[in-house]
Amino acid sequence: QKEVEQNSGPLSVPEGAIASLNCTYSDRGSQSFFWYRQYSGKSPELIMFIYSNGDKEDGRFTAQLNKASQYVSLLIRDSQPSDSATYLCAVTDSSASKIIFGSGTRLSIRP
Amino acid sequence: EPEVTQTPSHQVTQMGQEVILRCVPISNHLYFYWYRQILGQKVEFLVSFYNNEISEKSEIFDDQFSVERPDGSNFTLKIRSTKLEDSAMYFCASSESSRGVGYTFGSGTRLTVV
Repeated sequence: QKEVEQNSGPLSVPEGAIASLNCTYSDRGSQSFFWYRQYSGKSPELIMFIYSNGDKEDGRFTAQLNKASQYVSLLIRDSQPSDSATYLCAVTDSSASKIIFGSGTRLSIRP
Repeated sequence: EPEVTQTPSHQVTQMGQEVILRCVPISNHLYFYWYRQILGQKVEFLVSFYNNEISEKSEIFDDQFSVERPDGSNFTLKIRSTKLEDSAMYFCASSESSRGVGYTFGSGTRLTVV
């Protein structure tokens, strides 16, 4: 069974601080890695995707991928109250025909 | 920003009835998907579709489910005889490539089976 594991949280971070979200995956053949943000009752919204080992930065967000450790992370700098949501880690499986989601980490930014 | 459009946003149906959920993927995307999310649970893959045929389907996607691309723009999910446990948010998604480039979700259809 291919799995994506995340700490369910909640993770509470003060406004302006760095939020760090982590994810591990079981399928070594996974090719693409995604972070989605999901507000309650809404659809997943793509924040970042990463294919290669290392860091990828986009504004306040940095995704980090370590394929050897099967580990993906998301850093959110200068956290804002609007960043409070559930963050879903997702990976394509080795056939790349679908995305497998983790159960999500609830992030709460306290003013 | 291109969008994946889903209709209706909310569907209430009686157990045993057939429902069709509709999606209009992003126009230049070639790969189409359906996912569902039962309240409080993780997003689950149902089916992927490429070149007018199913690429892969999950165990959830049994004989009660079918997908179709009836024309050049729509992508539908049909549930033939709904059960109470089919109540969930159903998300359509599309992408440019098999690697997931531009993987975008629609806003979802909330299906309530009573």
